[in-house]
Amino acid sequence: GIQVEQSPPDLILQEGANSTLRCNFSDSVNNLQWFHQNPWGQLINLFYIPSGTKQNGRLSATTVATERYSLLYISSSQTTDSGVYFCAVRQGGSEKLVFGKGTKLTVNP
Amino acid sequence: KAGVTQTPRYLIKTRGQQVTLSCSPISGHRSVSWYQQTPGQGLQFLFEYFSETQRNKGNFPGRFSGRQFSNSRSEMNVSTLELGDSALYLCASSLAPEFIETQYFGPGTRLLVL
Repeated sequence: GIQVEQSPPDLILQEGANSTLRCNFSDSVNNLQWFHQNPWGQLINLFYIPSGTKQNGRLSATTVATERYSLLYISSSQTTDSGVYFCAVRQGGSEKLVFGKGTKLTVNP
Repeated sequence: KAGVTQTPRYLIKTRGQQVTLSCSPISGHRSVSWYQQTPGQGLQFLFEYFSETQRNKGNFPGRFSGRQFSNSRSEMNVSTLELGDSALYLCASSLAPEFIETQYFGPGTRLLVL
């Protein structure tokens, strides 16, 4: 099946710093999403981005489908950005999401 | 509009028992998917339901089963619990399979098997 790899696995930042999270996938996909999981386990949709670039406040994402990667940018990070960021992809007509292992982000005050 | 709700939120069982978890989707959503999250395996797809029909199933043993009711609520059942079944079980709902980008996750049920 498709492989989804995220890097880095862990990231520690000071408040106000910027960061880039990467997601590589091994096959073509028709859907790619970024999620944030807070410390209580809740998964929040950040972006649905099978291709192109989207921005939402301090967060933005870019997917280059032809090169099979996606990037999540976090600018001016805040302590509330802490948690685990997951990239997930879908293939075909299924709703099955295949998740990467995640990037654990810690933002210190 | 209320979000996806899952009950119970926390559960402790012993090996060999069975457990039933419940998921109520957002009002109007007819598609429900289930995922298991463990530290070792990460987030893994269990099954998806749409209009009371299982559309897809992940690579889990037959001890894991599920169903969806006419009101779109879904339950999953795990029989003969094993220690390795300890996990966070997440449910997600969407309007329908063609609206997958608007999938919302519930808060999860944390299951501990002793």
